[in-house]
Amino acid sequence: QSVLTQPPSASGTPGQRVTISCSGSSSNIGSNYVSWYHQLPGTAPKLLIFRNDQRSSGVPDRFSASKSGTSASLAISGLRSEDETDYFCAAWDDSLSGWVFGGGTRLTVL
Amino acid sequence: EVQVVESGGGLVQPGGSLRLSCAASGFTFSNFAMSWVRQAPGKGLEWVSGISGSGDSTYYGDSVKGRFTISRDNSKNTVHLQVNSLRAEDTAVYYCAKSFFRWEPPDYWGQGTLVTVSS
Repeated sequence: QSVLTQPPSASGTPGQRVTISCSGSSSNIGSNYVSWYHQLPGTAPKLLIFRNDQRSSGVPDRFSASKSGTSASLAISGLRSEDETDYFCAAWDDSLSGWVFGGGTRLTVL
Repeated sequence: EVQVVESGGGLVQPGGSLRLSCAASGFTFSNFAMSWVRQAPGKGLEWVSGISGSGDSTYYGDSVKGRFTISRDNSKNTVHLQVNSLRAEDTAVYYCAKSFFRWEPPDYWGQGTLVTVSS
């Protein structure tokens, strides 16, 4: 059971816009920055978004993110087949004194 | 270029120990907190332990407190995780990760080292 809650799956067709949500609490998302990552099977996670809405170097502007209260979301527009992978969110948790993660969302491009 | 490379994983019996190492390069190592995060087969990510840039502050996840010890050597740009009293549920890929800033979530991760606890 992950501390941050994400939908296990999401899908869209090429060119569509999809959003992935990440729900937390006042001790994590509500008071700290959120980061987003993608992870291909068998590989290390790679940073997409840091500080809630800042794209990491080299990440196309098709990827955007936002935070409101204790929730955050990642949006991918102009969906491409290469976007099909796992996405997860992360934040520092003041109560646990550690990073907490979402369980991950598997994005399928139909 | 930032690089983070883990080593030291392997097959160990329940109750056994291992010392995981993480070698970092491409940034001013002592300025950044470093952490270990693990991922059990088919499961999500779990933060295991973190250490501040100076090494003065350390944190542990509840599931590993008292069994794992994190340390760092800023003269060698390395972080270590001593894992003792291993259990089957500790089986996972262990990633070393560099904090973006202070304790913000990581910007760089290593490729991971697999720890398998089995008799």
